[in-house]
This record gives sequence, C-alpha cells and structure tokens, in this order.
Amino acid sequence: GAGVSQSPRYKVTKRGQDVALRCDPISGHVSLYWYRQALGQGPEFLTYFNYEAQQDKSGLPNDRFSAERPEGSISTLTIQRTEQRDSAMYRCASSLYGGWGNSPLHFGNGTRLTVT
Amino acid sequence: AQKITQTQPGMFVQEKEAVTLDCTYDTSDPSYGLFWYKQPSSGEMIFLIYQGSYDQQNATEGRYSLNFQKARKSANLVISASQLGDSAMYFCAMGPSGNTGKLIFGQGTTLQVKP
Repeated sequence: GAGVSQSPRYKVTKRGQDVALRCDPISGHVSLYWYRQALGQGPEFLTYFNYEAQQDKSGLPNDRFSAERPEGSISTLTIQRTEQRDSAMYRCASSLYGGWGNSPLHFGNGTRLTVT
Repeated sequence: AQKITQTQPGMFVQEKEAVTLDCTYDTSDPSYGLFWYKQPSSGEMIFLIYQGSYDQQNATEGRYSLNFQKARKSANLVISASQLGDSAMYFCAMGPSGNTGKLIFGQGTTLQVKP
C-alpha cells in the first residue's frame, strides 16, 4: 500500500481481555517499529523488527505485551489481560533501511485503545 | 541517558512570518540523528526533516530548516513563511545513527498560526 496501515482504528475493550493490534508496513520496508503515545505526549518506543527478527523489545512495559512479525511483513502487537493504564494510541512505523541515518520512520495513523 | 527537551508547550505565529521551535538534547553518543515530526489535529505523524550529528551543513526541506548547534546541543526547527496548515503539534526526536528507528521524542510544541 501507499502508507503504513493499522487496524483497527479504534478498539474499546474491557479490563482483563486480550487485544491484538495489526500493522501492515509500506511494501519493501525492512524495519518495523511499535510506539505508544499517551495523550499530549510524544511517542514512546516499544519494540522493533528487521525482517521477521525482533531486534529490541526493551520498551515493552511488561510481559503482558508481545509482538511478532512472522513473515517479515505484517506485524501484530498483542496485549494480554488488558488494564486501564494500557489505554493509549499505539502507533506502528516502518523504514526502508534498518539502521540507516537518513531513512526516516513513516508512521501509521495508529490504533486508539481504550480499556474500560 | 538520552533526553530531548522542548521547552515551549505552545507558540503563536502570524501567517507568513517565520517561527522557531526549540529543541535541546542530551546524549553521550558520538553519532546520532535528530528529527522533527509534525502531528496535525487529525493525529497522523508526518516526517519533516533530519539532521545527522556529523553533517556539516544545516538540513533544509522546503520551508523547514534545522538550526543545528552541536556545541549547544540544540536542534531548533525554523519554519519560514508560516501557513495556516502549519498549525499542529511538533515533536523533536533523537536516535542513534546505527538504529534510527528507536527514537526518543520530546514532549512536543503546539504551534498555532494566526491569519
């Protein structure tokens, strides 16, 4: 596609439920990143992949959060046993060359997660 | 630890005038990248401009330029000839050059352009 696509656009779930957020990066982009953005704040890094390999998951808040990119394209961020503090905008981004300085991140429009 | 600071929560500028959005950073890495992103009220994140720490010249992209002062650890964004469509939140971000996708973002500055 022309840009990074995320689904669903909005997700409302009850505390304790599991949610899966999907990201479809720009075709041909090697690197894929997940960020979380609280209202009025800048995005915070969660994890990233080069191809299908998860390179860094240091930003995942706890073990309820996991991500995968099994075929090196679409990625899923899963949050198990959701809590109200997980409510935020979850953004996916991709870049053409993993680790190149002049290959900027292209962000998707995000998934707004609300945990009630 | 790396840190980005944007000290201006909100800014106003008259249409057609220039405006500078401040950004200072802290890092012990010898090599890093600096970025600016625009977030309109629609919520998208739009890449504006990039500066590498070893770049000798300040980056420019159309009406955007990055005033990079390495010794002062500042990377201010200058928008020339402001337009109404420039009204948005602006984020400064930093990342190591070996892995530019793992960015640290500032708190953002909200810019409002007055007609």
